[in-house]
Amino acid sequence: KAGVTQTPRYLIKTRGQQVTLSCSPISGHRSVSWYQQTPGQGLQFLFEYFSETQRNKGNFPGRFSGRQFSNSRSEMNVSTLELGDSALYLCASSAGANVLTFGAGSRLTVL
Amino acid sequence: GENVEQHPSTLSVQEGDSAVIKCTYSDSASNYFPWYKQELGKRPQLIIDIRSNVGEKKDQRIAVTLNKTAKHFSLHITETQPEDSAVYFCAAREMSGGSNYKLTFGKGTLLTVNP
Repeated sequence: KAGVTQTPRYLIKTRGQQVTLSCSPISGHRSVSWYQQTPGQGLQFLFEYFSETQRNKGNFPGRFSGRQFSNSRSEMNVSTLELGDSALYLCASSAGANVLTFGAGSRLTVL
Repeated sequence: GENVEQHPSTLSVQEGDSAVIKCTYSDSASNYFPWYKQELGKRPQLIIDIRSNVGEKKDQRIAVTLNKTAKHFSLHITETQPEDSAVYFCAAREMSGGSNYKLTFGKGTLLTVNP
């Protein structure tokens, strides 16, 4: 059974650009969550989607957005990139409200 | 919203010793508390979890205890081995305000097990 797949794994952008990250959940999992991981800050919740609907959103500016498709795949977008957006972005899928299975992450560097 | 505090931020033990990591949470309605282990360069992986209707859960060398009254829970690792070296994250699931699909994480504990 394939795990959670995130693409791309690494990317470098410059300030002001935008980026789109993709996440394919475990087959059958309908919930997809996104977290930002930075040194010293742990994992901070961005948003969660279920059946193409955003159910929860964290305390991030509107530059961070996401969506989920009918096949449960999800994308997140960050517009007008800032240096502070450099982080590991983790996607996690869940079959229910509890256990999260994480992907390997997309490491974004903003120059 | 929920707030999770985790201590210590770093912990160094000798192989064979026990390690304890403690977390406190703020939302008394939270009812699910997982622990994740993240090895260097790898993804977080669930190692154990506990629900609020249980006070303690054990899985081989790992145990978690929950004190709902004090709103704190702890991870206990016995007979530590070098492969236990990693960052450990605690988390709590919010139940208030319709946010019951969100896990709030502590900032992590870097555990180093010295041979």
